[in-house]
Amino acid sequence: AQSVTQLDSQVPVFEEAPVELRCNYSSSVSVYLFWYVQYPNQGLQLLLKYLSGSTLVKGINGFEAEFNKSQTSFHLRKPSVHISDTAEYFCAVREETSGSRLTFGEGTQLTVNP
Amino acid sequence: GAGVSQSPSNKVTEKGKDVELRCDPISGHTALYWYRQRLGQGLEFLIYFQGNSAPDKSGLPSDRFSAERTGESVSTLTIQRTQQEDSAVYLCASSLAWQLGNQPQHFGDGTRLSIL
Repeated sequence: AQSVTQLDSQVPVFEEAPVELRCNYSSSVSVYLFWYVQYPNQGLQLLLKYLSGSTLVKGINGFEAEFNKSQTSFHLRKPSVHISDTAEYFCAVREETSGSRLTFGEGTQLTVNP
Repeated sequence: GAGVSQSPSNKVTEKGKDVELRCDPISGHTALYWYRQRLGQGLEFLIYFQGNSAPDKSGLPSDRFSAERTGESVSTLTIQRTQQEDSAVYLCASSLAWQLGNQPQHFGDGTRLSIL
């Protein structure tokens, strides 16, 4: 069965600094990978997804992520964060053969300070 | 609105009561999912509906939890004899059929359930 580990529960950064949110997964089959963002009192919004092809995926709001199969990682990056990026970020995986459920990590709270 | 709609947005009830949560998926989305999110935690899969196929109920935590969906429209999640550990945000998501190229899930804003 697949599992997802987000290595940092909290990441505080200053505005305009770069940020990386780490995500590692485990699975015995090919996977699809996703990052979602959750603002307070809201549902989840898709940031980006990796299905196949180029391992560098660009998403909304200037975020990007790189799929590394050998390290089973899918880290999320942004070169310069804004205060409005403060939110909870979830990494999720779906096995190619599962057809249904997403397995989510525990989330990383990104706090951008002025 | 074109998004996933959930109601109520907040529900406070006494321990032992039954509650019913509603989800209106995006029109045309054949797949519908329910998740539970406890405070400070990730999302926990509960149940998945895909068209007229039998639902995947493998994530339901106990027989007090049930869900229904009529066709490809509204779904209701029912929790009977609520317990304090049921307090959480219940999120609904919908997507096009996964066979169409692994469509992303679109989430509603959730129902925040508090059991006193």
